[in-house]
Formats: sequence, structure tokens, C-alpha cells
Amino acid sequence: QVQLQESGPGLVKPSQTLSLTCTVSGGSISSGGYYWSWIRQHPGKGLEWIGYIYYSGSTYYNPSLKSRVTISVDTSKNQFSLKLSSVTAADTAVYYCARDLHYYDSSGYYRGVFDYWGQGTLVTVSS
Amino acid sequence: DIQLTQSPSFLSASVGDRVTITCRASQGISSYLAWYQQKPGKAPKLLIYAASTLQSGVPSRFSGSGSGTEFTLTISSLQPEDFATYYCQQLNSYLFGPGTKVDIK
Repeated sequence: QVQLQESGPGLVKPSQTLSLTCTVSGGSISSGGYYWSWIRQHPGKGLEWIGYIYYSGSTYYNPSLKSRVTISVDTSKNQFSLKLSSVTAADTAVYYCARDLHYYDSSGYYRGVFDYWGQGTLVTVSS
Repeated sequence: DIQLTQSPSFLSASVGDRVTITCRASQGISSYLAWYQQKPGKAPKLLIYAASTLQSGVPSRFSGSGSGTEFTLTISSLQPEDFATYYCQQLNSYLFGPGTKVDIK
């Protein structure tokens, strides 16, 4: 059973960089076909995808956040990480990491199937 | 950009009811749609992907249908543990719908 666990500071000051790590257990982050995503949820609101990384290091980010986001991977530790720079109060949210399945079938190429999620961690941006 | 809408935004139902939630896309998205269930304080849980494929371990009372611009999530007989918020998601674009909260009548 794959498990994901987010870790990192729960409080970040405005203009600083938010840093979170997701540790994967019960499976290898280097498994083919699986990408690793970050998703956030503002308090009482819907879900916003931030970006993903493959174990090779290739990334793809939400265009609305791309200028401030960096996602990296450490296969030796079975971890991937998120950095979000120049944060404001609008970045206060619960941040989730998730396994992101990509696959082909007769209908086409699918990506963004989030089949395992971390429990989420609340990050508050405040001075 | 594709927009997703869900209806209703909120519904009140009783245990045993048949519940249907609709997700509409502003343009055709074939079968590139997933459904998630989220309970308060918990991470979302994948229910359905590729519009109608039931995720392993999800009860068969959940089903998904549709293609193109209109999709439905149906719960055939609502159980107490099904009271939650449900989100649709367009696969490939990673866009989520605004959610439908299912509450106890």
C-alpha cells in the first residue's frame, strides 16, 4: 500500500519561500508510469493543482503558478519537494502531495489520475 | 480555457436515496474526467476515472457516465459514509470542478 506524507513548516512569512517535502513509502518513486504531484486547497475552497515531477526530474507546472514554483525529486530518499517563492496570504492553504497516474488506452493518453494522496498539511502565510 | 461546472452545488438527501451529480465542461473533453470524494479534514479519494472506470476498492454503488461535455456521478443507494463533497476533474488539464456537497436531509 502506497503512502504519502507531507512535511514542512506550518507558518511562512510573506515574501519568503514555502518549502514542503513528500515522503513516499510502500512503493518506489521511480516506478514507471507514475508522476508525483502537488495540489493545494484554500480554506473552505476547491482544489488547485500546482505541478508534477517524474522520477527522471522532468516537471510540468500550473501556468498560473509557474513563475514561483519549483518541484524537485530525491529518488535515493523516495521523496519529492515543493518550493513556492514570494508567498502572500493568498498562498495560505492545505497542501497535498499525490501520486499521479499517466497511462494510455484505446481512447488516448490520460494523466492526472490522483490515486494516492497524503493527508495534507496546512501552511499559513502570516507575519 | 476549459471551464467545469457542477450541479447542484449542494444537495440534501437521505440514506437509501439515489443521488446524481452532474459535471459540465465548456467544451468537449471526450472521456477525460475523474470524480473524487472528500470528507471534512481529509484528502480527496479517487472514485472514478476515465469517466466511468471504478477505482479499485470503491463500492459498486458509485458509477460514472458521460462523454464530451456532460458527465454524471451516480450513487445508487446513499450510505451514511457517503455524505461528503464531490469534485469532478478534467484529466490532462488538471482542472477541478467547484464541488458538490452532499448533506443529510
